Amino acid sequence: DAGITQSPRHKVTETGTPVTLRCHQTENHRYMYWYRQDPGHGLRLIHYSYGVKDTDKGEVSDGYSVSRSKTEDFLLTLESATSSQTSVYFCAISESSRQGALNTEAFFGQGTRLTVV
Amino acid sequence: AQSVTQLGSHVSVSEGALVLLRCNYSSSVPPYLFWYVQYPNQGLQLLLKYTSAATLVKGINGFEAEFKKSETSFHLTKPSAHMSDAAEYFCAVSNGGANSKLTFGKGITLSVRP
Repeated sequence: DAGITQSPRHKVTETGTPVTLRCHQTENHRYMYWYRQDPGHGLRLIHYSYGVKDTDKGEVSDGYSVSRSKTEDFLLTLESATSSQTSVYFCAISESSRQGALNTEAFFGQGTRLTVV
Repeated sequence: AQSVTQLGSHVSVSEGALVLLRCNYSSSVPPYLFWYVQYPNQGLQLLLKYTSAATLVKGINGFEAEFKKSETSFHLTKPSAHMSDAAEYFCAVSNGGANSKLTFGKGITLSVRP
């Protein structure tokens, strides 16, 4: 199994509080992603990173920020949690076989179940 | 922009029957295509991938998929369903360009009846 660790695995938080989810990899992969999974929506990309300090928005980035200060860690922050952010969050990593091309698979963490009350 | 369409949210088959899960994609450049499986309370696991080599791709657990450019499709099949195949299946596309990313379909839940 690819070395991806998400923490925490479960969290309950109150509306309006900031929350940070951590993704740690031991594979030295270039790309890291944060997705959220909701019934009927599949997986939707929140933010992704293509290198240290290089990040970009996905399709559902509002209310979220990310940081990647070193290769192995990718942090997702909910600046002020809302009930609509209750979801299961997945981190994924991938590498490319040639410069700039993503043609290999992504490896997923086990997910973080976040409940905002 | 790239996208994936998985029609229907649920497929039910009998054990031993053919499994067919449909995936259509949209991409402005030659795509890279993937099928993932998710078992309950787990992360996603790669079943197979198409990366511009053979158009018929074989994956794990007896699954295979065929890339058809003319139909912009990448349907997943398995000749004989097993109870252990019950899971959620996701099709995904990447355009392979600089800073490319994976875009997923909404997923299909496969149920297998005894």
